[in-house]
Amino acid sequence: EVQLLESGGGLVQPGGSLRLSCAASGFTFSTYAIYWVRQAPGKGLEWVSAISGSGGSTYYADSVKGRFTISRDNSKNTLYLQMNGLTAEDTAVYYCAKPSSYSYAVDYWGQGTLVTVSS
Amino acid sequence: DIQLTQSPSFLSASVGDRVTITCRASQGISSYLAWYQQEPGKAPKLLSYAASTLQSGVPSRFSGSGSGTEFTLTISSLQPEDFATYYCQKLNSYPLTFGGGTKVEIK
Repeated sequence: EVQLLESGGGLVQPGGSLRLSCAASGFTFSTYAIYWVRQAPGKGLEWVSAISGSGGSTYYADSVKGRFTISRDNSKNTLYLQMNGLTAEDTAVYYCAKPSSYSYAVDYWGQGTLVTVSS
Repeated sequence: DIQLTQSPSFLSASVGDRVTITCRASQGISSYLAWYQQEPGKAPKLLSYAASTLQSGVPSRFSGSGSGTEFTLTISSLQPEDFATYYCQKLNSYPLTFGGGTKVEIK
């Protein structure tokens, strides 16, 4: 059974940093690109970032480029999102998401971790 | 970057109604489009991909169509469990942008 378990969310002050983790199981982690998707309270879904299976290619939404860094440790089946320079607009539930084997569409989602940026 | 515009943003309907949601892309994306359903407090659920291919386990009352810049998600007969928010997502290239969402509520 595929499982994605995010952790690392919490309350952080504006300008601060936070690192999210996503522990994956139930599939061959290194063969899949993995995404981060976020959802601000009461708002829609926003794709944030993606990383290839090897970790050699990374992609970012313009809203986080230069502030967030996605990475992975395939030996630990774990995905990371290092978030720096946080603002109130980054307040959201952050989901780890796995695409299907036949499409870039997400077939498995984590339960999400809440990041709140506030003083 | 390509933008996705969903319409309507909000839809009020009754059980048994036929419902259609539209997603328009600012540039052509062939058939690289997915639809998701999200219930309050839950992660999204994949309904369809490649514009019209239903994900395994999704009821046949859901159907997707379109290509290029205009896509639709149709629910042929709305059921109580279908009241949720629906999102489209482009899959042709990064960034994998989502549409703004369509909330389907009970009339």
